[in-house]
Order: sequence, then structure tokens, then C-alpha cells
Amino acid sequence: AQRVTQPEKLLSVFKGAPVELKCNYSYSGSPELFWYVQYSRQRLQLLLRHISRESIKGFTADLNKGETSFHLKKPFAQEEDSAMYYCALKSYGQNFVFGPGTRLSVLP
Amino acid sequence: NAGVTQTPKFQVLKTGQSMTLQCAQDMNHEYMSWYRQDPGMGLRLIHYSVGAGITDQGEVPNGYNVSRSTTEDFPLRLLSAAPSQTSVYFCASSNPPGQGTLGQPQHFGDGTRLSIL
Repeated sequence: AQRVTQPEKLLSVFKGAPVELKCNYSYSGSPELFWYVQYSRQRLQLLLRHISRESIKGFTADLNKGETSFHLKKPFAQEEDSAMYYCALKSYGQNFVFGPGTRLSVLP
Repeated sequence: NAGVTQTPKFQVLKTGQSMTLQCAQDMNHEYMSWYRQDPGMGLRLIHYSVGAGITDQGEVPNGYNVSRSTTEDFPLRLLSAAPSQTSVYFCASSNPPGQGTLGQPQHFGDGTRLSIL
């Protein structure tokens, strides 16, 4: 069965510090991985997807098939990055599966 | 471009009442879905639809009904509200997998915050 885990419920970092939000998945094939962000009381927005290999708002994520991970990274956190982050997996013929989310708090 | 529109934004119900959460999208997406968002649980899929006239159950379908008479609309009905259904509900839509990809990203509505007393 497909599963997405995000081990940290809450991650607090200081402004300017590097941040890494962890995401691991279980799926035997080749899925697509996404990161969604939800700012306070707003809708979920797509942050990035692994196939586009782009950097959005300074965030990057690399798919590591060997470790089945898709960790989200940013070298210098900003206060406006404080939000809820969800990792999601999509495989062929299956629905999206979301992780439980990690709340990132960037302290001044 | 409205995207995905959900109404109402907030609702308070008494146990046993019924209501319909509305969801409409103007992007001609075939795939639509309903999620509930609960603390520590992430998003859990309630029901989904791959096109007009086709619906199927997700992870937590009990107590909810859906229908998809048009491509644009995908209402979610609570038949007899229970306190356990207090949650934030999100509707999402997307296109089927494009060439060379497994899935297009989902577009979400603003959510409906529902409280059952």
C-alpha cells in the first residue's frame, strides 16, 4: 500500500537558518511526489513537484529512490515560510496520498 | 479565473442535521475529490470522481454521499451530522495524467470549516 510519512509534526527554526522537512514514502513503483504548502487558514497550494526540478520560493526537493525520500530544503528560512507543509504521492491509476503534514515555525 | 470554489466557508450544525457542501471548478478538470483535514491526520480522502456520472469511495466515506452530474460540480452531502464529522473540508480538482507524467497537481478550494454540536 502507498504511504507517506512526515516524521516531524512541528519544526521550529530561526530566521536565516537552514531548514529541512522530511518526507518518506512507501511504494514499489515510480511515483510522482509533490510538496504542498498551506499558509494560515488558506487553501493548499502546490509548492513544487519532483518532475519539474524547479526551485520555488527558494525551496528545493530531490527524489531519492534508494531511500524513498523527498525531503524539502531551503538554505535560509524566512518568517513568511511559516506554514503547514504536506508531502504527497501520486502513482498511476491511484489517488493522491498525503502525509500528515509538518508545521514549520520560523522564529525571528 | 476562479479555480475551485467552495461554499459555505463556515457552518455550524446540530447532531442529526443534514447539509450539502458545494464545490465547483471552472478549469474543465475531470478529476475531483473531497478531503477532510484533521489535526495530526493530514488530509484524508472521502470520495472522488474521475468524470461526470462516476464516483467512488476514498479512505473515509462513511456518513457522506457525493454525486457528479456535471463536470463542474461535485457536492458533498452529510446525511446525518455527527460530532466526529467536525473538520475542515477541502475540495480539489485536477486533470488526468498528461503525457509523460503520472498525475497533474491538484488545485484546492479555500475549504469549509464545519462544526457539529
